[in-house]
Amino acid sequence: DAGVIQSPRHEVTEMGQEVTLRCKPISGHDYLFWYRQTMMRGLELLIYFNNNVPIDDSGMPEDRFSAKMPNASFSTLKIQPSEPRDSAVYFCASSLSPDSSGENTGELFFGEGSRLTVL
Amino acid sequence: GNSVTQMEGPVTLSEEAFLTINCTYTATGYPSLFWYVQYPGEGLQLLLKATKADDKGSNKGFEATYRKETTSFHLEKGSVQVSDSAVYFCALTPYYFNKFYFGSGTKLNVKP
Repeated sequence: DAGVIQSPRHEVTEMGQEVTLRCKPISGHDYLFWYRQTMMRGLELLIYFNNNVPIDDSGMPEDRFSAKMPNASFSTLKIQPSEPRDSAVYFCASSLSPDSSGENTGELFFGEGSRLTVL
Repeated sequence: GNSVTQMEGPVTLSEEAFLTINCTYTATGYPSLFWYVQYPGEGLQLLLKATKADDKGSNKGFEATYRKETTSFHLEKGSVQVSDSAVYFCALTPYYFNKFYFGSGTKLNVKP
């Protein structure tokens, strides 16, 4: 089975440019998460979706960041305009809701990440 | 609220040494507990999990026991290898609420 697929793997851009990161979750998963990882702050949850609906975007740092999930198989994280402090690795992850039997514990599956460098 | 606290790193060990990485949690209800591992240049991947008190999760020689009385889920391995060098994250998710809370990560360096 294909895992979570992210693109691009690496992006180098100049300050002020728009950046779009893409994610394809695992088929059938109903949760999708965007994380940011930096040395200073570690792993931060930016936003997550359930059934394509944003549930909690309290981690989105500022209005320059936006995320969409137009359908169950695709999500984007956009930064406009980008700044050097946005340089980080951005991870997308997906999971399936825990079920009533407790058999599925909602394990999170991560993509390989998109490394963003803003000059 | 929900939170995870794990020991600061880096942890440096010689090959075949015993490993313990401490993890304690605060949670409402009965969470599921996880250890994730991140190898250099990769995303996080599940190492092991436990879904209820006294469960022991194990994988690749690593194990951790869900201790409700001490709210802990310490990661252990009897004999580490150079290939175990990575960053280890403890995490929880409240039952029926699929939001993950991660610790800050502990970097493990294993020297030959």
